[in-house]
Amino acid sequence: EAQLVESGGGLVQPGGSLRLSCAASGFTFSNFEMHWVRQAPGKGLEWISYISTRSSVIFYADSVKGRFTISRDDAKRSLFLQMDSLRVEDTAVYYCARDTGGKDYWGQGTQVTVSS
Amino acid sequence: DIQMTQSPSTLSASVGDRVTITCRASQSISVWLAWYQQKPGKAPKLLIYKASSLESGVPSRFSGSGSGTEFTLTINSLQPDDFATYYCEQYNGNFTFGPGTKVDIK
Repeated sequence: EAQLVESGGGLVQPGGSLRLSCAASGFTFSNFEMHWVRQAPGKGLEWISYISTRSSVIFYADSVKGRFTISRDDAKRSLFLQMDSLRVEDTAVYYCARDTGGKDYWGQGTQVTVSS
Repeated sequence: DIQMTQSPSTLSASVGDRVTITCRASQSISVWLAWYQQKPGKAPKLLIYKASSLESGVPSRFSGSGSGTEFTLTINSLQPDDFATYYCEQYNGNFTFGPGTKVDIK
């Protein structure tokens, strides 16, 4: 069965950086488009980034554009999110998700806390 | 950008009730809409995609309908496991989630 496992979250000061990883297993990772979605404490879901197969198309939400960078390594079956210039409002649980028209598999999430 | 709204924001219901949640898009998204269920501390679970297609393994009491700008998620005969928060999401070129509808116990 498909599985996604996020890692790399933690506590960081405002202005700092973090790199999230999402390890995929149980399916042919290179065949699927992928997303990052986040959820701030007590809030709803916020889509933040999309990457197509072969990284040919990339989208970002306005809230992270210019600060976050999505990438993938198909050989390592991994998805990444480089987060720079972090703000307090970026505090959230970050999920990676597989796209099949709708997001059918999600990781368990990794907590990112931005605080001084 | 396409904005999504959901109504109601909270819904109190009893086991066995028929529940309907509405999702509206600020512009036409054809049928490019998904519905998710989320329980506290857990990742969302895909229920419906392409407005009315039931995801594999999801009970048939869940159904979706609509096209264009107005969509509904219906749960027939609400079960104890169904008390959760439900989100719609449009994926017509970009991606936007609705604000969510919490279904709690009356």
